[in-house]
Amino acid sequence: EAQVTQNPRYLITVTGKKLTVTCSQNMNHEYMSWYRQDPGLGLRQIYYSMNVEVTDKGDVPEGYKVSRKEKRNFPLILESPSPNQTSLYFCASSSSGSFYNEQFFGPGTRLTVL
Amino acid sequence: GQQLNQSPQSMFIQEGEDVSMNCTSSSIFNTWLWYKQDPGEGPVLLIALYKAGELTSNGRLTAQFGITRKDSFLNISASIPSDVGIYFCAGRNYGQNFVFGPGTRLSVLP
Repeated sequence: EAQVTQNPRYLITVTGKKLTVTCSQNMNHEYMSWYRQDPGLGLRQIYYSMNVEVTDKGDVPEGYKVSRKEKRNFPLILESPSPNQTSLYFCASSSSGSFYNEQFFGPGTRLTVL
Repeated sequence: GQQLNQSPQSMFIQEGEDVSMNCTSSSIFNTWLWYKQDPGEGPVLLIALYKAGELTSNGRLTAQFGITRKDSFLNISASIPSDVGIYFCAGRNYGQNFVFGPGTRLSVLP
């Protein structure tokens, strides 16, 4: 089944404790992206990647890192999480090379930073 | 960066009514996408539009790609309770980043 998977789905952590949220897709998509969603603020893009080893900042990159060492994986890293990073996070992927470039979303990761 | 505007921001309708919402941009796109998000879930693609003027249906949903390529419309006919959610529009140009609107929150009253 074609899908985007995220792990973990739920995470409660404490301020300053490094964490990684994994994202993987099995559709051979070039494009991958991370969003955060907060009440009333819609989807805000954190980082995106047009292809392997190519990453770019989105609208709200501060406090986050990403890497794209291989096509299928795009982990989101919080080196020193803070309470204002408590949010619902979505990973998404899309084909860049195809005209039919719909974006598919993962199920979300709900992060709470105490 | 680029931004999309969606209106209305939220709407309350009676079950059975038709719904219209739109999305506008200051720049052109060659793809328009409409997504629906249920609470706590990831957005799910409803309709994708690839050609200016295109009108596409998916069941009770109909979306149009504006002629100017700067806007798109989504209509839902005969709304039902499960239509409740947030509807996002997104625009994209070939090989470039996606741009999302802020969403329209739909509530359906029985």
